[in-house]
Amino acid sequence: AQSVTQLGSHVSVSEGALVLLRCNYSSSVPPYLFWYVQYPNQGLQLLLKYTSAATLVKGINGFEAEFKKSETSFHLTKPSAHMSDAAEYFCAVSENFGNEKLTFGTGTRLTIIP
Amino acid sequence: SQTIHQWPATLVQPVGSPLSLECTVEGTSNPNLYWYRQAAGRGLQLLFYSVGIGQISSEVPQNLSASRPQDRQFILSSKKLLLSDSGFYLCAWSVKDRLAGGQGEQFFGPGTRLTVL
Repeated sequence: AQSVTQLGSHVSVSEGALVLLRCNYSSSVPPYLFWYVQYPNQGLQLLLKYTSAATLVKGINGFEAEFKKSETSFHLTKPSAHMSDAAEYFCAVSENFGNEKLTFGTGTRLTIIP
Repeated sequence: SQTIHQWPATLVQPVGSPLSLECTVEGTSNPNLYWYRQAAGRGLQLLFYSVGIGQISSEVPQNLSASRPQDRQFILSSKKLLLSDSGFYLCAWSVKDRLAGGQGEQFFGPGTRLTVL
């Protein structure tokens, strides 16, 4: 069975500092991995996805994530935080052999300090 | 392009009253459809998913039910709301066929904020 662990339910960074949100997954088959962002009282928006092509994936809003099979990780990074990045971020995994359900992590709330 | 709609955006209902939340998708056909709930400060809980008209899978036993009367319409219902049904309800869709380019990602609607008093 697949699972996702997001370390740190709350992360605070200063504006302009590096953003690092951690995600580790467990999957019995090669996974598809996703990061979503949710702003208050809104739905989830897809930031980026890994689907077994390049291990470094670039997404919207300057975010990127690197798939590391040896570490079963898919951490989300952004070189320089902006106030508009304050939101909740969810990592999700899908097994890429017909399982159409996503398993989500519990989310990380990112706060940006001015 | 595809769009997903949910209504109402907000709803305040008394305990014991019925519920009907609607979700519709435009610009695609034969999608997989999903209902999620977010309780305050909690993550996403998958409630129901559907791979076709009339085909509903329930993920957790609860006071809610779902129906899919049309290909791109997904309805979440309850006969009698409980206080614990309060939360943020999200509908999502995904491309069914991996061979057609679907890669498992789901696309979410704007959500419905339900408060049961």
